[in-house]
Amino acid sequence: DSGVTQTPKHLITATGQRVTLRCSPRSGDLSVYWYQQSLDQGLQFLIQYYNGEERAKGNILERFSAQQFPDLHSELNLSSLELGDSALYFCASSPRGGSGANVLTFGAGSRLTVL
Amino acid sequence: AQKVTQAQTEISVVEKEDVTLDCVYETRDTTYYLFWYKQPPSGELVFLIRRNSFDEQNEISGRYSWNFQKSTSSFNFTITASQVVDSAVYFCALSEAETGANNLFFGTGTRLTVIP
Repeated sequence: DSGVTQTPKHLITATGQRVTLRCSPRSGDLSVYWYQQSLDQGLQFLIQYYNGEERAKGNILERFSAQQFPDLHSELNLSSLELGDSALYFCASSPRGGSGANVLTFGAGSRLTVL
Repeated sequence: AQKVTQAQTEISVVEKEDVTLDCVYETRDTTYYLFWYKQPPSGELVFLIRRNSFDEQNEISGRYSWNFQKSTSSFNFTITASQVVDSAVYFCALSEAETGANNLFFGTGTRLTVIP
C-alpha cells in the first residue's frame, strides 16, 4: 500500500457522461498530481496542485478539471466523456511541489471505461 | 523541450539472464532528476530510483543497478539474474528542477517478460 488512495478503482460509463475521480494523498504530502495512462498516449501528466493551488498544467483537456481541497484530497472531474477518454488515471503525491527532486508516490489508479 | 526515449518496447529473457533497459533523455536544464518506475501486472507504479544530474555515480541495489552517463544522456537499468517477479513494464522519467514544478515526463516504457 503506497499510502495514496484512489477511488473508484473501476468505473464504466457512457459517452457524454461526467465522472469524478477522487484521490487522498499520502499523509503529510502537500502536492497532488494527476496522470493519464492510455495505450496510444502512454503516461501523460495532466495537472499538479500544491497545498490547494494549481501549480502546473500538462496535457489536460478543457473538458477535464481538478481541484485540491483544504484537507488536501483532490478530485479530477471528467465531463462530456468520449471513447478516447478510456484510460487508467493515476493520482500521485509528494511532500512538496517546487523541486524536481521530489519522489512521486502513485496510487493504484482508477480505470475508466467509456462505452 | 524535455523528452525521454525508451527504444525497447518489449524484451523477453529467460530466468537468470541479465537484462539492460535503455533510457535516453533530452533536456535543456542543467539541473534535473531521472527516475525509474516499475509497473507490475497489478497496475500500480512503484518507485525504484532517483538520480540527480550532478551525481553520475552508478548505483547498485541488490540485483538492480543503474548506469548514468551525462555524456550520452543515458540512464540505463540492469537487472542481474532476472526472476519471474521482475516481469513488468519499466518506465524511465525525467523531472526538471528549473520549472518550479515537479511533474515527471515519462518514456513509453519497456515491457520485460522473464520466462521461467
